[in-house]
Amino acid sequence: DGGITQSPKYLFRKEGQNVTLSCEQNLNHDAMYWYRQDPGQGLRLIYYSQIVNDFQKGDIAEGYSVSREKKESFPLTVTSAQKNPTAFYLCASSIVAENEQFFGPGTRLTVL
Amino acid sequence: QKEVEQNSGPLSVPEGAIASLNCTYSDRGSQSFFWYRQYSGKSPELIMSIYSNGDKEDGRFTAQLNKASQYVSLLIRDSQPSDSATYLCAAPGHNAGNNRKLIWGLGTSLAVNP
Repeated sequence: DGGITQSPKYLFRKEGQNVTLSCEQNLNHDAMYWYRQDPGQGLRLIYYSQIVNDFQKGDIAEGYSVSREKKESFPLTVTSAQKNPTAFYLCASSIVAENEQFFGPGTRLTVL
Repeated sequence: QKEVEQNSGPLSVPEGAIASLNCTYSDRGSQSFFWYRQYSGKSPELIMSIYSNGDKEDGRFTAQLNKASQYVSLLIRDSQPSDSATYLCAAPGHNAGNNRKLIWGLGTSLAVNP
């Protein structure tokens, strides 16, 4: 079955700790994205990658980092520099940029 | 700044009625538009894509695109309580250079009452 997987589903972190969220796709999509969604809010783009070994900052990149070493994988690191990291994190992919995006199930991060 | 705007709602309709959701966009260069459904606590799910002027039907869903007026709508016929969700509209940001991405509306909350 083709799709996008994110792990873990729930993640708890202490203040000051870095944490890495996993995103894997087997759809053979070139483009991948990370979004953040806060309760009752829309999607905000953190980072996106249109091709392997290349990525661009989105609207709220501060305090986050990514890598794109493989086509299938686009992990997101939430660093201690992110002041308010508690949120629902969504990974998506598309065949190419500007095409319809398909989402993983999301990771809910809570900072204690 | 390219924008996609939606009425936040909530839009409340009785079961069996037609729900009409609207979206306007600022970038005249946009060529494709997408409607997503997001249930509370879940990730968005693509329900319709539309690329040309006019109507596109898929089951109980109809997307309507009017490029001259820069709006796209989603009609849900015979609304069911299971259609209660937030509906997101998205369109490509037609930026110069290599900066290509979707621009998202904030979503319209739909409640279908039994």
